[in-house]
Amino acid sequence: QQQVKQSPQSLIVQKGGIPIINCAYENTAFDYFPWYQQFPGKGPALLIAIRPDVSEKKEGRFTISFNKSAKQFSLHIMDSQPGDSATYFCAASIMKGTSGSRLTFGEGTQLTVNP
Amino acid sequence: DADVTQTPRNRITKTGKRIMLECSQTKGHDRMYWYRQDPGLGLRLIYYSFDVKDINKGEISDGYSVSRQAQAKFSLSLESAIPNQTALYFCATSVTGQLYNEQFFGPGTRLTVL
Repeated sequence: QQQVKQSPQSLIVQKGGIPIINCAYENTAFDYFPWYQQFPGKGPALLIAIRPDVSEKKEGRFTISFNKSAKQFSLHIMDSQPGDSATYFCAASIMKGTSGSRLTFGEGTQLTVNP
Repeated sequence: DADVTQTPRNRITKTGKRIMLECSQTKGHDRMYWYRQDPGLGLRLIYYSFDVKDINKGEISDGYSVSRQAQAKFSLSLESAIPNQTALYFCATSVTGQLYNEQFFGPGTRLTVL
């Protein structure tokens, strides 16, 4: 059972476009929602993360929007560049207790930004 | 040098063979993880370890075993490899007590079981 569902599976945009990747979760105990970015031949790396006490977080051109009531969160990439072409994973975790290290990942979105 | 290293980077083996994937880290982190990545399925947790004496099963531990030989080393074994274990395997580390659970991933091992 996939506790974190991610869409779309792949996404192609033109340079300067604003790709949006969506995730939905089921477990209301999740309290930490990171996004990881993975380039070909590399391991994933943390890009940006949000806690559910805020509805939006921006870091440079990357923004997470969070809707607690709908149990959804999304990643927006402003002014996308070809160098943003990568696979993006959303994830969720429960920070408290012994399970605090376990990340549940979404299925991944392969983003291509054309020049 | 990379903080999290995995060996081998690529491995082709046959059904029924025993395989060991190794992970080493120089970050001084106490927590280590093994994931597998399959297209369309994302990253799924196989095993994780909070310290040398602590080993825990993840979502998909069947057919796998692990050994935490030292704080810096965490090995994943496939006792009798089968074709559906063909995947990209990642080791990751994190540190207890940090505000956010940032995990640091190695470069991955691509395993093919024929």
